Amino acid sequence: NAGVTQTPKFQVLKTGQSMTLQCAQDMNHEYMSWYRQDPGMGLRLIHYSVGAGITDQGEVPNGYNVSRSTTEDFPLRLLSAAPSQTSVYFCASSLWRSAETQYFGPGTRLLVL
Amino acid sequence: SQQGEEDPQALSIQEGENATMNCSYKTSINNLQWYRQNSGRGLVHLILIRSNEREKHSGRLRVTLDTSKKSSSLLITASRAADTASYFCAVGKSGGSNYKLTFGKGTLLTVNP
Repeated sequence: NAGVTQTPKFQVLKTGQSMTLQCAQDMNHEYMSWYRQDPGMGLRLIHYSVGAGITDQGEVPNGYNVSRSTTEDFPLRLLSAAPSQTSVYFCASSLWRSAETQYFGPGTRLLVL
Repeated sequence: SQQGEEDPQALSIQEGENATMNCSYKTSINNLQWYRQNSGRGLVHLILIRSNEREKHSGRLRVTLDTSKKSSSLLITASRAADTASYFCAVGKSGGSNYKLTFGKGTLLTVNP
């Protein structure tokens, strides 16, 4: 199993550009989530999904969209990038209800100029 | 927010000593989890303790949970240089079809050889 994979590893955007951060897992996990990690702020939940076709907002959802068309994939879309979205983004997955342990991807470093 | 708050923010010890990190939270929880993050990497799950449990062990790790004080502690015994990392507590709360895991800001542990 590859576990949780994220692409790209690093991305530079200009203000106003849009992009999609990819996340995939091969563990048949129902629950997937996106976090951003900023210095001194810990991890903050952006969006999460408890299964295909179901998504919900986390703590800091503004400026981001998600969709969950399959169990395996959970892409995060930045609609119009802003410098405040410069961060490290982590995707995670877990078996919903039966085990809450989160398995994290390696992260995507995003720099918005 | 029921975000976990770790204490101390940073801890420096000698190899072989024990390291204790604390976590406090604000509201009722379903479980509390501890994660480790090596520099520049994704988070790795260490241990989960449920709200009806008081203590759990895993190798050199010991976690306690006091729901009356809304606090948890992580003890790493006989620390090694390889334990140098950031440690995060995360509080899990579920309701209906929703489940959220909220992270604290972390404790940076440095183990000196």
